[in-house]
Amino acid sequence: KAGVTQTPRYLIKTRGQQVTLSCSPISGHRSVSWYQQTPGQGLQFLFEYFSETQRNKGNFPGRFSGRQFSNSRSEMNVSTLELGDSALYLCASSPGQPPYNEQFFGPGTRLTVL
Amino acid sequence: AQKITQTQPGMFVQEKEAVTLDCTYDTSDPSYGLFWYKQPSSGEMIFLIYQGSYDQQNATEGRYSLNFQKARKSANLVISASQLGDSAMYFCAMREGRQGGSEKLVFGKGTKLTVNP
Repeated sequence: KAGVTQTPRYLIKTRGQQVTLSCSPISGHRSVSWYQQTPGQGLQFLFEYFSETQRNKGNFPGRFSGRQFSNSRSEMNVSTLELGDSALYLCASSPGQPPYNEQFFGPGTRLTVL
Repeated sequence: AQKITQTQPGMFVQEKEAVTLDCTYDTSDPSYGLFWYKQPSSGEMIFLIYQGSYDQQNATEGRYSLNFQKARKSANLVISASQLGDSAMYFCAMREGRQGGSEKLVFGKGTKLTVNP
């Protein structure tokens, strides 16, 4: 079974631009969650999508948005990039319902904002 | 208030010895799940082990075991027979609420483990 894939792996953008990151979950998994990891704030939850619906949302500004497609692939978008958005963005894939407990992460997208 | 506390920023262990990484959590929800992940320098988060709040037995996965003490709200990870490849950051995380409600994880700040030859 293929693992979680994220594209692109590395990205360099400048302030004010926007960016779209993609996450393909494990086949059969219906939940995709997104996290931002920075040295200062650690791992912070952005949002979760389950069956194309946002099921939970973290405390991030509206510049951060996401969506999920019918094949469970998910994208997150960050508009009007700021220097502080430089981070490792991780997505997690899970079945999203009992009795399964596992959550598997992708390799991440490392975003640098100049 | 922090929901997941990992008090050891860094730990050192000799190869082939066992090591315990501490994790305490805070929740008022009777239903929750506890996870441990390993993050090597490459950045990928590798799932190690899971413990549900209603599980009677401590979870084990190969060389990893979880010492779950519910009354103390602690979920320490024990790695037996450490290997050089175990050198990495280790994160404890919690999912609150019943399964199927939300997959949101709250993470601790992590412990950097270094295995010495």
